[in-house]
Amino acid sequence: GQQVMQIPQYQHVQEGEDFTTYCNSSTTLSNIQWYKQRPGGHPVFLIQLVKSGEVKKQKRLTFQFGEAKKNSSLHITATQTTDVGTYFCAGGNYGQNFVFGPGTRLSVLP
Amino acid sequence: DSGVTQTPKHLITATGQRVTLRCSPRSGDLSVYWYQQSLDQGLQFLIQYYNGEERAKGNILERFSAQQFPDLHSELNLSSLELGDSALYFCASSPVSVWGDYNEQFFGPGTRLTVL
Repeated sequence: GQQVMQIPQYQHVQEGEDFTTYCNSSTTLSNIQWYKQRPGGHPVFLIQLVKSGEVKKQKRLTFQFGEAKKNSSLHITATQTTDVGTYFCAGGNYGQNFVFGPGTRLSVLP
Repeated sequence: DSGVTQTPKHLITATGQRVTLRCSPRSGDLSVYWYQQSLDQGLQFLIQYYNGEERAKGNILERFSAQQFPDLHSELNLSSLELGDSALYFCASSPVSVWGDYNEQFFGPGTRLTVL
């Protein structure tokens, strides 16, 4: 079945440093979503990507969908302590079950 | 606040017991999803209902079952509980039925189940 992996599993950065997490699928995806879960909280939707090579920005966050639609990345510029949490990608295809990746836990040291 | 409510917030029970978790989706959302999140783990998709009918099934154990009622609230029933069932159970809702449409999921606060 479809598998979605994320690397790294954990990332510790100093406040102000950049951060990137990568999401890789074993199969081609029709779209991919990113969620953020703060410690003790619930996942919150960040964005959806549907087009090959698509790049979307939200302030300091940049999301990219690979040309082959099998991978995606989330890049945070100049991290802040408010960025702390676990970032999940979730991918799937039309009409099929979707799969969440295991997440990347980000720690930001002040 | 996502608009999705889950009760109870915490649940402590013993092995072998049966519990029911309840979820009320956002107003107007027809799809409800259930997820299991074990300690420091990812989100395991259990099951999806759309307008009262089962739409997709994930890694849901036979000891677990769910249903969605005419008022669109959903219940997840967990029976013959084992220690390994201790986890955070999330419910999410969305307005559409299938993956691929703009299918942002709104998650509830979760129910933390502890099996002793």
